Amino acid sequence: NAGVTQTPKFRVLKTGQSMTLLCAQDMNHEYMYWYRQDPGMGLRLIHYSVGEGTTAKGEVPDGYNVSRLKKQNFLLGLESAAPSQTSVYFCASSYRAAGNSPLHFGNGTRLTVT
Amino acid sequence: DQQVKQNSPSLSVQEGRISILNCDYTNSMFDYFLWYKKYPAEGPTFLISISSIKDKNEDGRFTVFLNKSAKHLSLHIVPSQPGDSAVYFCAAREETSGSRLTFGEGTQLTVNP
Repeated sequence: NAGVTQTPKFRVLKTGQSMTLLCAQDMNHEYMYWYRQDPGMGLRLIHYSVGEGTTAKGEVPDGYNVSRLKKQNFLLGLESAAPSQTSVYFCASSYRAAGNSPLHFGNGTRLTVT
Repeated sequence: DQQVKQNSPSLSVQEGRISILNCDYTNSMFDYFLWYKKYPAEGPTFLISISSIKDKNEDGRFTVFLNKSAKHLSLHIVPSQPGDSAVYFCAAREETSGSRLTFGEGTQLTVNP
């Protein structure tokens, strides 16, 4: 049982390049999320999805797009990477988005934009 | 606007002693609070939670205390073990905000043998 799997684990991009981060979960969770972690700023929500075919903006959505074509997958896209997008990106999923229902996180993707 | 704050970036304690990690919040509408633990090169993992209608929740060596009037919660680890060395994140959820879980900045705990 893999849980939440993120690919790739590391990536270096040049400014202006594009890429897609992949997230897959095998827990049949409805809710999926993309967070970024930056020093001194904790985890900030980029985009999230409440079910297959849905997406919504989080706290810091600018410069990112997402898609949830299948329930188990949540893709995060950077169309034109900027140095400010250098960060560690975490995907998470949850059964519910209420109460004390926890998020289950992947192991992260470390992205560097030069 | 940082609604969840962990003002101590780091904390160092001796093995066997108590570790106390603190978290303050500004949004009185938060209904649930969760603590996560994160090791290097891994994702955060859920540790313990508390509802806003309670003031204490205990799970083994971990206890979370909530003081609603002060908008403050704390995580106590007793006794602390070297394997507890990790970054601890406090997070809060407001039911009416839907899916959002708001995280604090994190506190690096180091437990020295």
